[in-house]
Amino acid sequence: AQSVSQHNHHVILSEAASLELGCNYSYGGTVNLFWYVQYPGQHLQLLLKYFSGDPLVKGIKGFEAEFIKSKFSFNLRKPSVQWSDTAEYFCASAPAYGGATNKLIFGTGTLLAVQP
Amino acid sequence: GAVVSQHPSWVICKSGTSVKIECRSLDFQATTMFWYRQFPKQSLMLMATSNEGSKATYEQGVEKDKFLINHASLTLSTLTVTSAHPEDSSFYICSASSIGKVTYEQYFGPGTRLTVT
Repeated sequence: AQSVSQHNHHVILSEAASLELGCNYSYGGTVNLFWYVQYPGQHLQLLLKYFSGDPLVKGIKGFEAEFIKSKFSFNLRKPSVQWSDTAEYFCASAPAYGGATNKLIFGTGTLLAVQP
Repeated sequence: GAVVSQHPSWVICKSGTSVKIECRSLDFQATTMFWYRQFPKQSLMLMATSNEGSKATYEQGVEKDKFLINHASLTLSTLTVTSAHPEDSSFYICSASSIGKVTYEQYFGPGTRLTVT
């Protein structure tokens, strides 16, 4: 069965600190991987996605994520966070092939609070 | 582009009544729409997938007779919670994808908070 785990449930950082949020997935085949962000009071937005190719993926707002196949991981990083990055971050996966390629499985989310 | 709206954003209903939630794609045609449920401090759980003009595909454990999904047009899907009970209180989120948009990308609505008293 497909699953996604996020180990950091709540992260508090000061502005300019570096960020790394962990995400591990479990699936017997090839997956597509996503990071979504939900700012307070807003809907989920796509930060970045990995389908194939370069395992280091760059997204919007200075975020990047690295796909490490051997570790089944897709950690999200940002070198210097801002107060406006305060939000909840969700990692998600979907099978890359077959009839369920659009079935996203979400992790439990990580609430990031950035202190000014 | 790729805006998805939901209506209502918040609804309170009495136990035993039915509630309909609408999901609309405002600036694109959604060939597929998805309905999720999110419990407090938990992840989004996929409830069902619907393709325009066909019956929805429900995930294991989701009662299709309780959560009626209709996707009658390329811009509208509805979720009706029938005979609602307090345990149905939750945050319901829809998303939409299109063959005309980036493959595999889903665009999310703002969600609907349902409270059953």
